[in-house]
Amino acid sequence: EAGVAQSPRYKIIEKRQSVAFWCNPISGHATLYWYQQILGQGPKLLIQFQNNGVVDDSQLPKDRFSAERLKGVDSTLKIQPAKLEDSAVYLCASSRTIDSTNYGYTFGSGTRLTVV
Amino acid sequence: QKEVEQDPGPLSVPEGAIVSLNCTYSNSAFQYFMWYRQYSRKGPELLMYTYSSGNKEDGRFTAQVDKSSKYISLFIRDSQPSDSATYLCAMRGGGKLIFGQGTELSVKP
Repeated sequence: EAGVAQSPRYKIIEKRQSVAFWCNPISGHATLYWYQQILGQGPKLLIQFQNNGVVDDSQLPKDRFSAERLKGVDSTLKIQPAKLEDSAVYLCASSRTIDSTNYGYTFGSGTRLTVV
Repeated sequence: QKEVEQDPGPLSVPEGAIVSLNCTYSNSAFQYFMWYRQYSRKGPELLMYTYSSGNKEDGRFTAQVDKSSKYISLFIRDSQPSDSATYLCAMRGGGKLIFGQGTELSVKP
C-alpha cells in the first residue's frame, strides 16, 4: 500500500509569515495525526482527527496553528504567524482506527520547517 | 516530570556489539509499548511493540517490558552499521501515543 504522503519536504520562511503543510494518509485510515518534532526531541502530538472530527487538540497552539481535515481524507496544517521556535519537522501519521490493532501508526517523511 | 524519559545518547558502538536502549515512564495508564526507528530525514517506522510485561524477540531485536518498575528496554544483538539511526520508545494509553526523546545510535564498521 502507498505510504503517508506529505508536502512540501522543506520550507524556509521568515518569522511572522504564514505556511501550510499538506498530508494525504494511507487509504482507508480513519485516524490522522500531526506531530511536531524539534531537533533532538521525540515527536509531540499537535492534533488528532478521527475522520473529519477533532479528537484531541490540547497541545495545539491555537493562537497561531490551525488544522483541518475536510472530507475525512487529506489534511492541512497551517501556522500564522510563524515564530522562530516553530522550526521543526512536522510529521503526519495515520492509523486504521484510534485503537489500531497494530498498535502503531504509519508516518510520512515529514516537512522540515525553518523559520528565520 | 515528563511522562516518558529516554536517555538521548548519542551512543556509539562497534559492529557486532550488543546494544541496550532504555526508557522509563510515569503513567500507569500506558498499556502498549513500542519502539520506533528513525533514519535521518525520514519519519519514524514501527520496529516492535509489546503489550504485557516480559520479553518479545524478533530476529536480532528483543523488547522487554517491566510494568512493575515502569521500565522498557530494547536490545540489539550483533549490531550492524545499518542499525545506525535514532531509536524512539513510545507508549500508548487512552488513545494517545507519547514518545521519548530518542537515542541516537551509531554502529561503526
